[in-house]
Amino acid sequence: GAGVSQSPSNKVTEKGKDVELRCDPISGHTALYWYRQSLGQGLEFLIYFQGNSAPDKSGLPSDRFSAERTGGSVSTLTIQRTQQEDSAVYLCASSFTNEQFFGPGTRLTVL
Amino acid sequence: AQSVTQPDIHITVSEGASLELRCNYSYGATPYLFWYVQSPGQGLQLLLKYFSGDTLVQGIKGFEAEFKRSQSSFNLRKPSVHWSDAAEYFCAVVVGSNYQLIWGAGTKLIIKP
Repeated sequence: GAGVSQSPSNKVTEKGKDVELRCDPISGHTALYWYRQSLGQGLEFLIYFQGNSAPDKSGLPSDRFSAERTGGSVSTLTIQRTQQEDSAVYLCASSFTNEQFFGPGTRLTVL
Repeated sequence: AQSVTQPDIHITVSEGASLELRCNYSYGATPYLFWYVQSPGQGLQLLLKYFSGDTLVQGIKGFEAEFKRSQSSFNLRKPSVHWSDAAEYFCAVVVGSNYQLIWGAGTKLIIKP
């Protein structure tokens, strides 16, 4: 497809479980971002990948959160030992210049 | 620290009326500013952006925004809203060389018939 895709669209998990969220960026986009949108809040930056450079992890809220980007394309955000406060919509965006294109998000619910 | 403030959490406007959504930013350098719209169940869509030059920028769907450096503002306007404009609107500013976006909390636009 032409846009950013994310999977799954919805994920319900139990507290303490690990989850993996996937992002497929637009082909050719060198930059990839993860954001978190909690209910009634704006977006919170989590992590940024640019080409083969070391990622900017400055927004990750705790060491339970990690992300990788394989082959400069697909990215996976992993949350270990999920907590209820992790419940949010996780958005991925990719860009080639200064405009970011967003995926539809993954809604994570931690019970 | 850089920040973006959208002072109105909700705004209700009658269909056909004009609209202005407020956005104020705090950033030391010349900002790159964006407005995004998020419709229910949809992803974020870019409405317009300001980098430099003309301070009045035109976007999609009939929206425009004006950058006012003296007021640190980037308000979004539309002369006549349509029911399909009901959505949540986010203002954002780019900071740093990685183009990380700092976001306002959003303004939910409600359209009265």
